[in-house]
Amino acid sequence: NAGVTQTPKFRVLKTGQSMTLLCAQDMNHEYMYWYRQDPGMGLRLIHYSVGEGTTAKGEVPDGYNVSRLKKQNFLLGLESAAPSQTSVYFCASSLTGEGAGQPQHFGDGTRLSIL
Amino acid sequence: AQSVTQLGSHVSVSEGALVLLRCNYSSSVPPYLFWYVQYPNQGLQLLLKYTSAATLVKGINGFEAEFKKSETSFHLTKPSAHMSDAAEYFCAVRKAAGNKLTFGGGTRVLVKP
Repeated sequence: NAGVTQTPKFRVLKTGQSMTLLCAQDMNHEYMYWYRQDPGMGLRLIHYSVGEGTTAKGEVPDGYNVSRLKKQNFLLGLESAAPSQTSVYFCASSLTGEGAGQPQHFGDGTRLSIL
Repeated sequence: AQSVTQLGSHVSVSEGALVLLRCNYSSSVPPYLFWYVQYPNQGLQLLLKYTSAATLVKGINGFEAEFKKSETSFHLTKPSAHMSDAAEYFCAVRKAAGNKLTFGGGTRVLVKP
């Protein structure tokens, strides 16, 4: 009963370093999302994907890249980390995204600190 | 553009008292509305959702929310707070024709014994 799994759970980076966050879901969901959560701002959408091989920009995409090579995986990359990217990152997935009010299922988050 | 406003970033209630969390949205079309709960160091869990059926929606853990189109509100209530309700609560809206959620800023609930 894994649902949505995020790795790693915690990471500390130095400014300018790169890293990739991995999200895996075992529910055969078509849609996947990456959010960042900052105090008082709720969750903001970074990028999302509506199916294998597709990606699209969300509300705050700058400084991030994503890839969806396999349906079950959605990767979030930081090419050159900046202190402003210190945040908690959440991955989510949903069966579909259109019209049916399908809820999104969330992972437990990755706490990322950029020094 | 749609937006979601949650009034009050922190709410303190006594155990057994009413919990009321306010959410107002702006949307030019009938939306889908959600309430999620986040416990410490965990992801978000769905409490309930409104998808244009009944305006009073019942969710898990005794929570319910009422959709009021005239007030563009979707407030969350629970008649009697329990210590386990201490968490952060997020209201979110998704337009029927879209596939992205817009979240409110969240309301952290503290339950006093």
